[in-house]
Amino acid sequence: NAGVMQNPRHLVRRRGQEARLRCSPMKGHSHVYWYRQLPEEGLKFMVYLQKENIIDESGMPKERFSAEFPKEGPSILRIQQVVRGDSAAYFCASSPDRTSYEQYFGPGTRLTVT
Amino acid sequence: QQPVQSPQAVILREGEDAVINCSSSKALYSVHWYRQKHGEAPVFLMILLKGGEQKGHEKISASFNEKKQQSSLYLTASQLSYSGTYFCGTEHSGNTPLVFGKGTRLSVIA
Repeated sequence: NAGVMQNPRHLVRRRGQEARLRCSPMKGHSHVYWYRQLPEEGLKFMVYLQKENIIDESGMPKERFSAEFPKEGPSILRIQQVVRGDSAAYFCASSPDRTSYEQYFGPGTRLTVT
Repeated sequence: QQPVQSPQAVILREGEDAVINCSSSKALYSVHWYRQKHGEAPVFLMILLKGGEQKGHEKISASFNEKKQQSSLYLTASQLSYSGTYFCGTEHSGNTPLVFGKGTRLSVIA
């Protein structure tokens, strides 16, 4: 029973490039959450999606960031025109239902912007 | 609003006990506890829903005091494997996203 998969595990981008982070939830989970974690900090909620729908994007920066969870395929977090401040670990988590169920986290993608 | 965790860090010898607290300034619907080891994904420990219940296993348990808007995580007879950063995540209603505290770094030494 595969857990939450994220790829790539490490991503290096130059300022101004685009970053695409992928997340495949656990089998049977239709709820996906994206979090950002800076060193020595907690997890900051970014967005909550169900298949084909964005449920809550209150934690997403208004510009350059977008997320999707298509009917087929993984959830994608897209960061356009990356800046150094975007460097962080990005985790996705999945759950079988809304946030009152435990969330299972993927291994994360560590984005470095040079 | 971000919950406040205390202490920020704690060092224990194997076999000692620890308590980690998580306080909120707003009424809580649920509290989630996770442990994260360096460079790894957070791992779910337990959820507590409002109602003042206490949950857990033999050596790791938690309580939720709805009136005080706080939760405490109890680690008994700590083992080396307990080392890591413990995060609480709070939910203020059934449809709000989890807000995580800054974490408590626990180090267990032999």
